[in-house]
Order: sequence, then structure tokens, then C-alpha cells
Amino acid sequence: GAVVSQHPSRVICKSGTSVKIECRSLDFQATTMFWYRQFPKQSLMLMATSNEGSKATYEQGVEKDKFLINHASLTLSTLTVTSAHPEDSSFYICSAQRGGYRYEQYFGPGTRLTVT
Amino acid sequence: KNEVEQSPQNLTAQEGEFITINCSYSVGISALHWLQQHPGGGIVSLFMLSSGKKKHGRLIATINIQEKHSSLHITASHPRDSAVYICAVRGGGGADGLTFGKGTHLIIQP
Repeated sequence: GAVVSQHPSRVICKSGTSVKIECRSLDFQATTMFWYRQFPKQSLMLMATSNEGSKATYEQGVEKDKFLINHASLTLSTLTVTSAHPEDSSFYICSAQRGGYRYEQYFGPGTRLTVT
Repeated sequence: KNEVEQSPQNLTAQEGEFITINCSYSVGISALHWLQQHPGGGIVSLFMLSSGKKKHGRLIATINIQEKHSSLHITASHPRDSAVYICAVRGGGGADGLTFGKGTHLIIQP
């Protein structure tokens, strides 16, 4: 149980285009989902917290107009990287928190984004 | 903002050795996670601790809340344990997002 999927696992896009990454909780309802980013040789960093049906909360330094987060249902959150640039190339990973289980987070397998 | 420090950063050991990875943090927390990340990037959650000790197979995790310190132990290490082990903490102030350490790159040689 408690499986989180991400799609796509890898994506290569041209500079200036937008990319959407999906994060799904497959067998539980996720009231909260988190988006993290990991640059090469660096630790994971929290980008934003997404609660179902409300606006995402972004960490300091993360542009909300560039990284659009939508948490439209209890099993799906999406991250759209708008007008992507090479410096956005990174490993994006989501985690989902089960409703009623505040401390438990389940991680997706991640999405490797390369912007050329 | 919590500062999470892990040691060592890199560790190479022989198969069968007992492994210890340490994690310290600067501000009180509500929970601490130990995660395993393989070369492809995927993350597996190993433990979530708020006090005491947990054991799962050959893995043991302990936490000392007063000293703001946690350890991850691997007994009878095996090459398949080779991975990056990451300590992450959840703040006590209501924010649920995790703050991560930089990870410990573990290599177990046969």
C-alpha cells in the first residue's frame, strides 16, 4: 500500500516550452502533497506544499508563476514548469501525505527534467 | 530554519561490516525520516521516527530528541545496500515539508 507514481519519469524539452509533471497517490487519498527539487550532487529542497482544493504554499525563492502547482483531487497533483530554461534542469520528486497520518510521507520515483 | 548535518558524507566498507550513519539537527522536530536513494534517483522511505528506536530487517534507526541526533545502523552489510542514505526532518512548527541532509554515499564492496 501507499504507492505514489510520477509521470513522466524522464522528459527532455526545448528552452521556452512548458512541461507538466503528474504526481498520483494510487491507493490512498493524499490531502497534502509536496514537491521537491534536487540539483546534481545537492540535497533535496522543498519547493512547495500543495493542499487539495487550495493554493499551493511556495518556499522562499521559488517562483510561483514559473512553477504552477495544481492539486485538483485527493489523488493528483501536477507541477507545470512554464517557459523552462536550462537552469530548470533537475530531478523533481513529489511526496504524498495520507489524510489522518500527518507524519507519514510517501515518495514518488521522481522525474528527470532536461531543458536543452 | 533547521540545519541538518549528516556524517560521514562518503563511506566505503567491506561486505559484512556494521555501518553507522549519523544525523544531527539544530531545531526541535516532530519527526525524522531516513530515506534511501538509489542511482536512478528514486527514493524509498526506510524509517520515520519521533522517539526511541525502530528495527526493520538489518536496519536499525535510533533518535535522541534531547541531543537532536539520530543514527542509522546497517548490520551484516551487503553490496545491495550501496546507495545514498538521507536524513530528513519535519519541523515542529506546523509545516510538514521536510528539510534534508546532504546524504551519505555508502558503497559496500564484496
